[in-house]
Amino acid sequence: QTVVTQEPSFSVSPGGTVTFTCDLNFGSVSSSHFPSWYQQTPGQAPRTLIYNTNVRSSDVPLRFSGSILGNKAALTITGAQSEDESTYYCLLRVDTGVWVFGGGTKLTVL
Amino acid sequence: EVHLLESGGVSVQSGGSLRLSCAASGFTFTSFAMAWVRQAPGKGLEWVSSLDGDGSKQFYADSVKGRFSISRDNFNNKVFLEMRRLRAEDGALYFCVKYGYSGAAMYFDQWGHGTLVTVDS
Repeated sequence: QTVVTQEPSFSVSPGGTVTFTCDLNFGSVSSSHFPSWYQQTPGQAPRTLIYNTNVRSSDVPLRFSGSILGNKAALTITGAQSEDESTYYCLLRVDTGVWVFGGGTKLTVL
Repeated sequence: EVHLLESGGVSVQSGGSLRLSCAASGFTFTSFAMAWVRQAPGKGLEWVSSLDGDGSKQFYADSVKGRFSISRDNFNNKVFLEMRRLRAEDGALYFCVKYGYSGAAMYFDQWGHGTLVTVDS
């Protein structure tokens, strides 16, 4: 069974930098998994932030960036703001037509 | 502007069946694969099923394979999720999702607001 793992939670100070990771239980995450990242606040639908590893979706602030770090996908927020307090999900395509979400990382900004 | 409007979510008995619908507008419907993603109360996102633009290829999560069926009506710009033999763990908010494409890559681009399915045991 394919499992995608994210850190359950993170805390960052306003203006600080935080990096979330997205790991696969077998092998390394690469661009061929089409890593993407989604932001969700309670009661809202997810919002697409990053796709194709490092491409920002329209209207996403420049402080959000995606990358591959070592053998994991990563989402970095540089200069976190209070409105970034949300849960962040990564998504990987693990086989043709088959997708798996990570469990989500809840970010607190304080 | 892309709009995805889900409907059909209700409370149903365990073992029962349900059909969800998603009405799409604001884009060339046949050019995009579509997906359903669900979220149980207080839990994370779970990909459920995807369907390519002409409806010829369907994909399912193991948790729903053999019980759920995805389809689309490209004349009326709708996508459906037929759910059978429902279990308590199928109770969730179901989102309709439009794919996006970036070169060879694909991703989940636009999201509806969801329709709630409750399964009573």
